[in-house]
Amino acid sequence: AQTVTQSQPEMSVQEAETVTLSCTYDTSESDYYLFWYKQPPSRQMILVIRQEAYKQQNATENRFSVNFQKAAKSFSLKISDSQLGDAAMYFCAYRSPEIDSGGSNYKLTFGKGTLLTVNP
Amino acid sequence: SQTIHQWPATLVQPVGSPLSLECTVEGTSNPNLYWYRQAAGRGLQLLFYSVGIGQISSEVPQNLSASRPQDRQFILSSKKLLLSDSGFYLCAWSVPGYNSPLHFGNGTRLTVT
Repeated sequence: AQTVTQSQPEMSVQEAETVTLSCTYDTSESDYYLFWYKQPPSRQMILVIRQEAYKQQNATENRFSVNFQKAAKSFSLKISDSQLGDAAMYFCAYRSPEIDSGGSNYKLTFGKGTLLTVNP
Repeated sequence: SQTIHQWPATLVQPVGSPLSLECTVEGTSNPNLYWYRQAAGRGLQLLFYSVGIGQISSEVPQNLSASRPQDRQFILSSKKLLLSDSGFYLCAWSVPGYNSPLHFGNGTRLTVT
């Protein structure tokens, strides 16, 4: 079974600085997708960025970028020029090409989250 | 564009009362639909998912049930709520395929008293 580990329960960063949130996962598959979600105090889950395992180039979305190290099974999220609005819980997620036994759903595994605080 | 609606946003119910949370998706056909629960502000637990009308898969045996009466409608129910059912419930949809992320509704905060 796939597991996703976010080893930092909490992180803090000064406004305008850069912070990196770590995520590691365990899998025996060669192709899969990885995602970062943000959950602000409103508790809505917002997709931040995605990465396909077959793509060597790291994904980037504005101030958000990832450092994808496939051999190390690591998928960290870097937030540059941190803003107060970036304060949220961040979840790393792994989506497998393995079909669930109950139907055609592809398994999605979430980490336990990292709570990011942005200090003014 | 696709949108997902989930209601109510907040619900306070006494123990033993029934529950019905509804979720609808617009702008897409035959989505995969999901119900998650998040307790204590951390961790997402998959409760149910559906790949088609009337097709429900349960991940965790519990006091809840789900139904999909229409292609883009997903309902979470309980006949008798327990205190342990309190939590934050999130509905989500995705296009079938493992390259597809989940898109979440705004969630329902359920408090069972």
